[in-house]
Amino acid sequence: SYDLTQPPSMSVSPGQTAIITCSGDKLGDSYASWYQQKPGQSPLLLIYQDKKRPSGIPERFSGSNSGTTVTLTISGTQAVDEADYYCQAWDNSFMLFGGGTKLTVL
Amino acid sequence: QVQLQESGPGLVKPSETLSLTCSVSGGSISGYYWSWIRQPPGKGLEWIGNIYYTGYTNSNPSLKSRVTISVDTPKNRFSLKLTSVTASDTAVYFCARHGLGRVDIVGATGLDHWGQGTLVTVSS
Repeated sequence: SYDLTQPPSMSVSPGQTAIITCSGDKLGDSYASWYQQKPGQSPLLLIYQDKKRPSGIPERFSGSNSGTTVTLTISGTQAVDEADYYCQAWDNSFMLFGGGTKLTVL
Repeated sequence: QVQLQESGPGLVKPSETLSLTCSVSGGSISGYYWSWIRQPPGKGLEWIGNIYYTGYTNSNPSLKSRVTISVDTPKNRFSLKLTSVTASDTAVYFCARHGLGRVDIVGATGLDHWGQGTLVTVSS
């Protein structure tokens, strides 16, 4: 299998746009998903099939896949968006997770 | 409203077998893939393996020789067994449903429902 690489941490000011990247050699070969996890909680699905949002997920969350990089964009970041974010993709039938990005909103 | 609930011992001795069950309520286990994922304290998510309701399974190559995942469709639950555990298997264990996307193609799905997670500690 291959690795999914995310920046360990990043910070953004409230109201600004946060762009979280996830890189991997074979990302163009599979769909990607993004999950948000707050302390003590289970992960929450934000994006699936690269860019689809589940019902109830705010429109400020969007996703894209450019082949070797998938991106989660949070427009108009809010304080409640402070959390860990994980990308997830597939290598054939094996599920992979990125190492996670801790997003600080300050 | 679909709900998942993990259950099993919170403490397992080294070299023994970790056994967990995920009970699904508010929906049927049929028609979906289901996964086990774990998270060591303070670390990231690691996929353990998944199972289709028909019983077809797949697991993380790094754990494959120690992992058994099974499904009990009449009881609407699925289970995980991890053998020969060590301290490095200490983690919060989550079960989750591949419920969004092409639910018959595991690689085209997202994990839309998760259990609350259960901490399993490996220690003598």
